[in-house]
Amino acid sequence: KNEVEQSPQNLTAQEGEFITINCSYSVGISALHWLQQHPGGGIVSLFMLSSGKKKHGRLIATINIQEKHSSLHITASHPRDSAVYICAAPSGNQFYFGTGTSLTVIP
Amino acid sequence: EAQVTQNPRYLITVTGKKLTVTCSQNMNHEYMSWYRQDPGLGLRQIYYSMNVEVTDKGDVPEGYKVSRKEKRNFPLILESPSPNQTSLYFCASSLLPTGTSYNEQFFGPGTRLTVL
Repeated sequence: KNEVEQSPQNLTAQEGEFITINCSYSVGISALHWLQQHPGGGIVSLFMLSSGKKKHGRLIATINIQEKHSSLHITASHPRDSAVYICAAPSGNQFYFGTGTSLTVIP
Repeated sequence: EAQVTQNPRYLITVTGKKLTVTCSQNMNHEYMSWYRQDPGLGLRQIYYSMNVEVTDKGDVPEGYKVSRKEKRNFPLILESPSPNQTSLYFCASSLLPTGTSYNEQFFGPGTRLTVL
C-alpha cells in the first residue's frame, strides 16, 4: 500500500471548469505539500499546508489533518494549468510522493 | 538566481557503460536527494545526503552510488547501468532535513536516461 494515494490519475477538463484533485495519506505528518510538474519535466512547489485552506491565484489547497486528506482545487481552469500535480507527505527522513494526477485542460 | 542544475538533461547509453549525472545547487543547502520517477510509481528516493561526506540510502538504492565531497555538488553514479534504470531522475535540495514539514524542496530540471 502506498503511503500517499492520489485520485484521479488522469483528468481532462474543458477550459473554465472547476477541478478537484484528491490526496489521502497514511503517514503521520504536520504539513502536506502540493507540487506541480510542468510538461517539460520541472517540478515546483505550489503549497505547504498543515490546516485549513491556502489560496494562490486560482489554486486552492485544503487539508484535514485528522482525516489525513487534502484537496487541490483549480477554479476557472486554463490550458496553461495542464501539468502533473503531485502531493507529497514529509515524514522521517524523506518525502512520500503520490503518483501524480495528469491534468489536461482543453481550450 | 537560486537553482538546482543537472547535467546531462538527456542521455542514451548502453548496458554496462558507467555514467555520472551531476547535480549542483547554489543555495548553500545542506540536504540533497536523488529521486527517480517512473510511470505509475511516482517519485522514489534513491539516496540522500545530510551534509558533506554524509549520505544514506533511500528506498531504491540498488545499482546507484553517490558522493558528497562538496556542499554544492551531489553526483549520481551508475557504475554498470541496466535497462531497468531507464527513468527520469531528479536531484533536489533543501535547507532543512528532507522530512521536515515546512521545508520546501528545490528540484533540478530532471535527467531523462535511457539504457539500451
